[in-house]
Amino acid sequence: KQEVTQIPAALSVPEGENLVLNCSFTDSAIYNLQWFRQDPGKGLTSLLLIQSSQREQTSGRLNASLDKSSGRSTLYIAASQPGDSATYLCAVRPNSGGSNYKLTFGKGTLLTVNP
Amino acid sequence: DVKVTQSSRYLVKRTGEKVFLECVQDMDHENMFWYRQDPGLGLRLIYFSYDVKMKEKGDIPEGYSVSREKKERFSLILESASTNQTSMYLCASSFTPIEQYFGPGTRLTVT
Repeated sequence: KQEVTQIPAALSVPEGENLVLNCSFTDSAIYNLQWFRQDPGKGLTSLLLIQSSQREQTSGRLNASLDKSSGRSTLYIAASQPGDSATYLCAVRPNSGGSNYKLTFGKGTLLTVNP
Repeated sequence: DVKVTQSSRYLVKRTGEKVFLECVQDMDHENMFWYRQDPGLGLRLIYFSYDVKMKEKGDIPEGYSVSREKKERFSLILESASTNQTSMYLCASSFTPIEQYFGPGTRLTVT
């Protein structure tokens, strides 16, 4: 059974700092990995999706990497801003054809960026 | 832009009531999902639908049912609400197997 772990559970940094959020998964047979952002009391916003054949994806100040063989992904946030404060979730989709609709989520990292 | 809407942001119901949560997407996605999110447990899949009138159980279907009569609409039904169903409910849609798009969530409180 796939398990997704995110470390740390919470992170507090001063504004302007570069930071890395970690995601690990136990079964490397994944189709893709998706990073989401969730603001308090709100739904999930998709940030980046990395296909299993890719090593990284970039969007603005965000860069996500994937090392499928070691079961790890990182989300790098450059020059953090108070508006980046949110919970960040990663989720993996399995490569098995019958159930590749099903995402397995980590429990998230709560990021606080202090002005 | 994909838009997924949910009928209510906040809902308060009494134990034993029948509760309907509705989700609508505007991108003609064939797949739709219902999750619940609880502190310390993360997101858990309740039900999934891959086409009109088709559904599959997720990880925690007990106490819930679903209905998908039209492609754009997916309803979650709590047949007899209980306090342990107090949670945040999130709907999502996608084309398989590309990224899922989530709605804003419904915070349900059962008293």
